[in-house]
Amino acid sequence: DAGITQSPRYKITETGRQVTLMCHQTWSHSYMFWYRQDLGHGLRLIYYSAAADITDKGEVPDGYVVSRSKTENFPLTLESATRSQTSVYFCASSKSGSVYEQYFGPGTRLTVT
Amino acid sequence: AQKVTQAQTEISVVEKEDVTLDCVYETRDTTYYLFWYKQPPSGELVFLIRRNSFDEQNEISGRYSWNFQKSTSSFNFTITASQVVDSAVYFCALRTLSGGTSYGKLTFGQGTILTVHP
Repeated sequence: DAGITQSPRYKITETGRQVTLMCHQTWSHSYMFWYRQDLGHGLRLIYYSAAADITDKGEVPDGYVVSRSKTENFPLTLESATRSQTSVYFCASSKSGSVYEQYFGPGTRLTVT
Repeated sequence: AQKVTQAQTEISVVEKEDVTLDCVYETRDTTYYLFWYKQPPSGELVFLIRRNSFDEQNEISGRYSWNFQKSTSSFNFTITASQVVDSAVYFCALRTLSGGTSYGKLTFGQGTILTVHP
């Protein structure tokens, strides 16, 4: 049971480049989320998705794009990476329903030079 | 507005000591959910427990126990007989069903860094 996976685990890219972070879950959870974790800011929600083809902005969506054509995948794209987007990115998923907790992937450490 | 405060930024203990991590939350919602997550040095976030606002029963799971008190808006986490493997960052989180999204809103505290020395 793979659960929720992210790729790549580590990425170094240059300012201005487009980069896509992948997230895949095997639980068929309805909800999926992208967070970034930064010192001093904790975990902040970037985007989330309630189901395939349904996405919505979180707290810090600027500079990011998401899509969800299949329930199990939720890629996050940085259209033109900036140094301020250097962070650790976590994908998470959750069953539908208010009571359920989120389960997190292992994270992707992204460095923008 | 909702808020989660983990006032203890860092705690250092010696193995076998008991340690309590504090979590205080603020919300105007009457229905909400509280969570604890563990982030070990390897970096992943591990779900530990969920508690809803209508269930104030304390819970014990092995060396872990949780004390939920609505009267003080607290959801504290105690590790009994701590071990080196307990060294991690621990996050308390609050989910409410308001917040303008279909998911509601999940707010994390800033985390408490726990170091257990051998």
